Amino acid sequence: GQNIDQPTEMTATEGAIVQINCTYQTSGFNGLFWYQQHAGEAPTFLSYNVLDGLEEKGRFSSFLSRSKGYSYLLLKELQMKDSASYLCAVLDSNYQLIWGAGTKLIIKP
Amino acid sequence: DAMVIQNPRYQVTQFGKPVTLSCSQTLNHNVMYWYQQKSSQAPKLLFHYYDKDFNNEADTPDNFQSRRPNTSFCFLDIRSPGLGDAAMYLCATSGTGSTDTQYFGPGTRLTVL
Repeated sequence: GQNIDQPTEMTATEGAIVQINCTYQTSGFNGLFWYQQHAGEAPTFLSYNVLDGLEEKGRFSSFLSRSKGYSYLLLKELQMKDSASYLCAVLDSNYQLIWGAGTKLIIKP
Repeated sequence: DAMVIQNPRYQVTQFGKPVTLSCSQTLNHNVMYWYQQKSSQAPKLLFHYYDKDFNNEADTPDNFQSRRPNTSFCFLDIRSPGLGDAAMYLCATSGTGSTDTQYFGPGTRLTVL
């Protein structure tokens, strides 16, 4: 079966750095997405990785290792507004998006 | 601004009473998706349209139907809502590239009494 694993919940402090991990086992791989979802709202696109390595976008970076079936989202200089769920999703060989259940990130002052 | 719009944002219905959720988009995207998302769970794809070509997921119950009268609009019909159908329903759109990003509407939260 296809599977995406993320921690259920993480807590971090305002101004700090946090890394949210995602591991996947899918039938094929055509890229990995990270989305941010605030409570009661729709997911919003953060990043897309298809090649190994780190992609940086302001305070957010996303890393991919295809050989390890592993990605992480790195959030720097955390702000209270970063409190949200972060969803990892993989495009499989059929270009179907397989979703993780999301990691709820709690930011404390 | 180009966007995906869903109406209503909150919908309350009674057990067994049909309900229709709507989605419209100004992105001119060919592909439209309907997802169901329950609390703390991953979004679950119900079906998607590639232009007018309808693709139903194998495990989507018959209780869920969809219509896409034109490029801009897509509807989700729940024929006889059960308590288990209470969820957030998300509409998303994407371009036709196989790796194109999906852009989501704000969602409709459905309550079944």
